[in-house]
Amino acid sequence: EAGVVQSPRYKIIEKKQPVAFWCNPISGHNTLYWYRQNLGQGPELLIRYENEEAVDDSQLPKDRFSAERLKGVDSTLKIQPAELGDSAVYLCASSYRGRGIGELFFGEGSRLTVL
Amino acid sequence: QKEVEQDPGPLSVPEGAIVSLNCTYSNSAFQYFMWYRQYSRKGPELLMYTYSSGNKEDGRFTAQVDKSSKYISLFIRDSQPSDSATYLCAMSVVRLQGAQKLVFGQGTRLTINP
Repeated sequence: EAGVVQSPRYKIIEKKQPVAFWCNPISGHNTLYWYRQNLGQGPELLIRYENEEAVDDSQLPKDRFSAERLKGVDSTLKIQPAELGDSAVYLCASSYRGRGIGELFFGEGSRLTVL
Repeated sequence: QKEVEQDPGPLSVPEGAIVSLNCTYSNSAFQYFMWYRQYSRKGPELLMYTYSSGNKEDGRFTAQVDKSSKYISLFIRDSQPSDSATYLCAMSVVRLQGAQKLVFGQGTRLTINP
């Protein structure tokens, strides 16, 4: 079974430029999460989707960040414009709501460097 | 104050040693307690979980939860170089219909020296 797939793995941009990250969750997983992990820190939730509905986006900086999950499968996280403080690893995770403990499966992350 | 506190280390021990990793938390509503392992440049992967006080053993790993003290631990016996990674504790309140909202600790970077 394929895991959570994220792209790009690495991205270097200059500040004020836009950037987008893509995530393909595990097939059948109805819950999708975007986390941000700063260097030396644990992941912090940005947004959680149940199917195509964003049910928790309280931590998403809405002035510059946006996300979508079309058709309840793939998801895109966008930053526009990027700031120096956005340098981090953006992790996508998915889980199956209603099965067991709802274990989160993470992708390998998209590492963003803003210059 | 963060909801979950974890000593970031780094922690370096010789192969074969017993490793103890710890987290404290402030939110008494947390019911599920997990340990994730994260190798360099990889995503976290679930190592163990528990939802009650006491010990849970899985091979060389033991997870311990003390809800009265709001303290959780992960013990690694007979540590191996392949255990070198960052260990993240994570917690959530009682989940509603299966959705997890995890709060992570900072992570402890562990190195096992051959």
